[in-house]
Amino acid sequence: GESVGLHLPTLSVQEGDNSIINCAYSNSASDYFIWYKQESGKGPQFIIDIRSNMDKRQGQRVTVLLNKTVKHLSLQIAATQPGDSAVYFCAEIDSGGGADGLTFGKGTHLIIQP
Amino acid sequence: EAGVVQSPRYKIIEKKQPVAFWCNPISGHNTLYWYLQNLGQGPELLIRYENEEAVDDSQLPKDRFSAERLKGVDSTLKIQPAELGDSAVYLCASSLSRVSPLHFGNGTRLTVT
Repeated sequence: GESVGLHLPTLSVQEGDNSIINCAYSNSASDYFIWYKQESGKGPQFIIDIRSNMDKRQGQRVTVLLNKTVKHLSLQIAATQPGDSAVYFCAEIDSGGGADGLTFGKGTHLIIQP
Repeated sequence: EAGVVQSPRYKIIEKKQPVAFWCNPISGHNTLYWYLQNLGQGPELLIRYENEEAVDDSQLPKDRFSAERLKGVDSTLKIQPAELGDSAVYLCASSLSRVSPLHFGNGTRLTVT
């Protein structure tokens, strides 16, 4: 089946800078997207979601942008902190797709430099 | 609210042995998932339940894997017999519905020797 992928396996940023993590998806029918954060030894943790009727959604220090034209999703983290170090996954689903569940990409490892 | 609880956290077994993982989802979540996660990879869906019914098990290797969700609450995933390639983290998640955020447990790390 179609899958969700990430542009970069590792992203290194300075503490205090903004981080942008990108994701490309291939299923044009996907209409619900979620970003997850996974720290070592833990399960993925929900960060923020967005539905296809929106282009942008903001949370606390995070913003998700959705460009349906080019099937691109991004997660922006403002003022990156050491606690933001983790692997970030985007996930997508076609809500009208029947039995299909959430599909995850391979992940981007965010490294915070002091 | 209490999160998704999985046990055990770690399991080491020899190949050809059976193993079982247990999951208690968030109260009220009708949808339950079992995912497999290999090192450096994203989670891959094994099976999804809507209440007691397995509605998506197309990725579950049915020759050795089985799952059940009796009474539509707790769930058990079993492997019999285990193979070396089954070494991975097995994640359980639950959600209110198929298109709402999944909440994950911390997983069971399986090592098959």
